[in-house]
Amino acid sequence: DAKTTQPNSMESNEEEPVHLPCNHSTISGTDYIHWYRQLPSQGPEYVIHGLTSNVNNRMASLAIAEDRKSSTLILHRATLRDAAVYYCILREDNAGNMLTFGGGTRLMVKP
Amino acid sequence: DTAVSQTPKYLVTQMGNDKSIKCEQNLGHDTMYWYKQDSKKFLKIMFSYNNKELIINETVPNRFSPKSPDKAHLNLHINSLELGDSAVYFCASSQANSQSPLHFGNGTRLTVT
Repeated sequence: DAKTTQPNSMESNEEEPVHLPCNHSTISGTDYIHWYRQLPSQGPEYVIHGLTSNVNNRMASLAIAEDRKSSTLILHRATLRDAAVYYCILREDNAGNMLTFGGGTRLMVKP
Repeated sequence: DTAVSQTPKYLVTQMGNDKSIKCEQNLGHDTMYWYKQDSKKFLKIMFSYNNKELIINETVPNRFSPKSPDKAHLNLHINSLELGDSAVYFCASSQANSQSPLHFGNGTRLTVT
């Protein structure tokens, strides 16, 4: 999988929106952008994915830059339960379905 | 109902032993995976397996072997355990396409003494 770059950590206040950035300048045309998160002592959890257009679901929104070299995961109102490590992953169409995780961003939410 | 379940949750054993970790998924998925998360919290893919193909991460020692009795199960067998095998092991499953999300179990914490 192509590489992604994320900040090591971010802080947010409860009830405020959070924008988690991800750079993927070497993305290829068939790479999907996936986001997962891992809460303490749990397995990773799927959040959202997209290819070119912005995406919304009940958990979050994904904003994808026009050139696809970066994306932003948006949590509209952070809660304490959103404190987790967030992973931005590029998933190739022919990668044998494997996800390769990077270091992720540790999000801390302050009450 | 738990979608992806692993047993045991904790496993403590001595160097040199052979152990297995079991994984079952009830999602009807056709692809299953094993990941290893070490003490630095990096998640590394070990295996991807469906009924047609086993893909092995080349860095995984051959002491580790996946065994799949059927589509719903992918067990991880480890021979001659070493101290460095201590980690949390996660099983996951998905459909066989690049858009299908992976569903993970809650992990098995293996401690080798």
